[in-house]
Amino acid sequence: KNEVEQSPQNLTAQEGEFITINCSYSVGISALHWLQQHPGGGIVSLFMLSSGKKKHGRLIATINIQEKHSSLHITASHPRDSAVYICAVDTGANSKLTFGKGITLSVRP
Amino acid sequence: KAGVTQTPRYLIKTRGQQVTLSCSPISGHRSVSWYQQTPGQGLQFLFEYFSETQRNKGNFPGRFSGRQFSNSRSEMNVSTLELGDSALYLCASSDGLGLSTDTQYFGPGTRLTVL
Repeated sequence: KNEVEQSPQNLTAQEGEFITINCSYSVGISALHWLQQHPGGGIVSLFMLSSGKKKHGRLIATINIQEKHSSLHITASHPRDSAVYICAVDTGANSKLTFGKGITLSVRP
Repeated sequence: KAGVTQTPRYLIKTRGQQVTLSCSPISGHRSVSWYQQTPGQGLQFLFEYFSETQRNKGNFPGRFSGRQFSNSRSEMNVSTLELGDSALYLCASSDGLGLSTDTQYFGPGTRLTVL
């Protein structure tokens, strides 16, 4: 079983919809990161969470440490939000970050 | 400030050869991390350097090595290439103490193809 699980694996939405992407992990962590990867490979760090909730523009990220779960919400989705969204956790072990497989989001106009 | 740069962007090698990839972090960043991304395994942590010292290493064979120079530029080397080494290699830099709680800034990656 992977230490970091993301769901759903693929997601298609219509422009304007509210989108939720989930991440569950099975180990103790000190931090969780949400990353966005566009076609071509470039990765952008969206959020780093250790507790609570963060908001940036149309993106909101939450984390529940007790339930070992985080969600990334996108409000008023737009085709430019189409990308792979990757969750990564810092387990404090020798491997600095452990990554989920990512979720491919496609937002249709 | 200029972003993280990686060279070369694309590389084709044959099995058994060795390869060196380069990463220039954002000016002032002292931490550089390397990652391998493949379709099957996704993103995996390779190693992290801070002020010329390797602080963390992932679960990769000894064929994978790296170093960091005094100007924070970093190189990674893969010797005796195998077909399975074909991947996108990404580096990321962060400021401060380079903790995993710091924001990482990723480069565009080097796509390595091993034939």
